[in-house]
Amino acid sequence: DTGVSQNPRHKITKRGQNVTFRCDPISEHNRLYWYRQTLGQGPEFLTYFQNEAQLEKSRLLSDRFSAERPKGSFSTLEIQRTEQGDSAMYLCASSQDSLTDTQYFGPGTRLTVL
Amino acid sequence: GQQVMQIPQYQHVQEGEDFTTYCNSSTTLSNIQWYKQRPGGHPVFLIQLVKSGEVKKQKRLTFQFGEAKKNSSLHITATQTTDVGTYFCAGDTNAGKSTFGDGTTLTVKP
Repeated sequence: DTGVSQNPRHKITKRGQNVTFRCDPISEHNRLYWYRQTLGQGPEFLTYFQNEAQLEKSRLLSDRFSAERPKGSFSTLEIQRTEQGDSAMYLCASSQDSLTDTQYFGPGTRLTVL
Repeated sequence: GQQVMQIPQYQHVQEGEDFTTYCNSSTTLSNIQWYKQRPGGHPVFLIQLVKSGEVKKQKRLTFQFGEAKKNSSLHITATQTTDVGTYFCAGDTNAGKSTFGDGTTLTVKP
């Protein structure tokens, strides 16, 4: 399967702990996006990368959130000092190049903060 | 900031009936995409509209982009049980990100 993959698929953590998620985009896709989705809502944009450059971050992304894409391939999203409000599905998507290219979503990582 | 609104939030139909969901943006869009998300699944791309007034069809699905590029619709003719799921629109400005609506959840009674 050469689609977008995300690990882990599920993460349960205690409030205050740090968590890190990984996204592997479709090979040769230059753009990589992170979204957050809660029940009954659409995906909410967090940030995106063009190759290794992080081009935009949502104002929703507090200082506790950081994303990297060091070699322009896989990406990680870290949440420090998790809060119960961080519980959500974290989705990664990739696209080939330009803004008009189709975004292909991964299966997501479901985070539960106790 | 940019807002994308979808109506209705929920739609229950009898199998064979038609279904339409509407998407409205607070700002002019460069393009709009439609996605389908099955329960427990992730969004799956359906189509992208770019031109003002564009209409595209995929079998029983018809997608329209408004003349002002601020609204769009998805119409399904003769719904089937396989059409169940949540349909999202996502609007792009030229700012490099997509803003999703909150979706319309379709249930189909056989």
